[in-house]
Amino acid sequence: NAGVTQTPKFRILKIGQSMTLQCTQDMNHNYMYWYRQDPGMGLKLIYYSVGAGITDKGEVPNGYNVSRSTTEDFPLRLELAAPSQTSVYFCASSYAAEGWGETQYFGPGTRLLVL
Amino acid sequence: GENVEQHPSTLSVQEGDSAVIKCTYSDSASNYFPWYKQELGKRPQLIIDIRSNVGEKKDQRIAVTLNKTAKHFSLHITETQPEDSAVYFCAAPREGSARQLTFGSGTQLTVLP
Repeated sequence: NAGVTQTPKFRILKIGQSMTLQCTQDMNHNYMYWYRQDPGMGLKLIYYSVGAGITDKGEVPNGYNVSRSTTEDFPLRLELAAPSQTSVYFCASSYAAEGWGETQYFGPGTRLLVL
Repeated sequence: GENVEQHPSTLSVQEGDSAVIKCTYSDSASNYFPWYKQELGKRPQLIIDIRSNVGEKKDQRIAVTLNKTAKHFSLHITETQPEDSAVYFCAAPREGSARQLTFGSGTQLTVLP
């Protein structure tokens, strides 16, 4: 299994440009997440999905959109990029069946620089 | 929502000594507390977790303790080694959701040879 994969690894955007960060998992996990990590900080949840066709906002959703058309893929869309979106973006997935939390497996991250 | 505070923000120990990192949480209904290790430029990886139905869990040199009354949980690393140097994050479920995690701000652990 490749686990959680993300593309691209690094991208430079100009202010106002748009892009899609790709995330794929091959573990048949139902839950998927997008986080951002600013330098020297913890992880902030942007959006998450409990299954195909179902998404919901996390802690910092403004400026982002997501979709989940398949179990495997969970792309993150940035519209009108701003310097405040300069960050490292991590995708994660987990298999949740009961009421307890479960291990989240992270992708390698996408480093985004908005100039 | 859940508020997770993590201390200290930096910690330096001599190789072979123990390291302790502490987190407090606000939502008394939280039931799952993972710890992640993140090496420089790498992804966070789970090192240990604990559920609220136990007070302690151990895995070789790593242990986590949970005090539900005081609403805090701690990571203990014994016999530290240089490869333990990394940033460690605690997390707790956001209020009302077992699967949305709120992360602490991280502890930079440096193990000095």
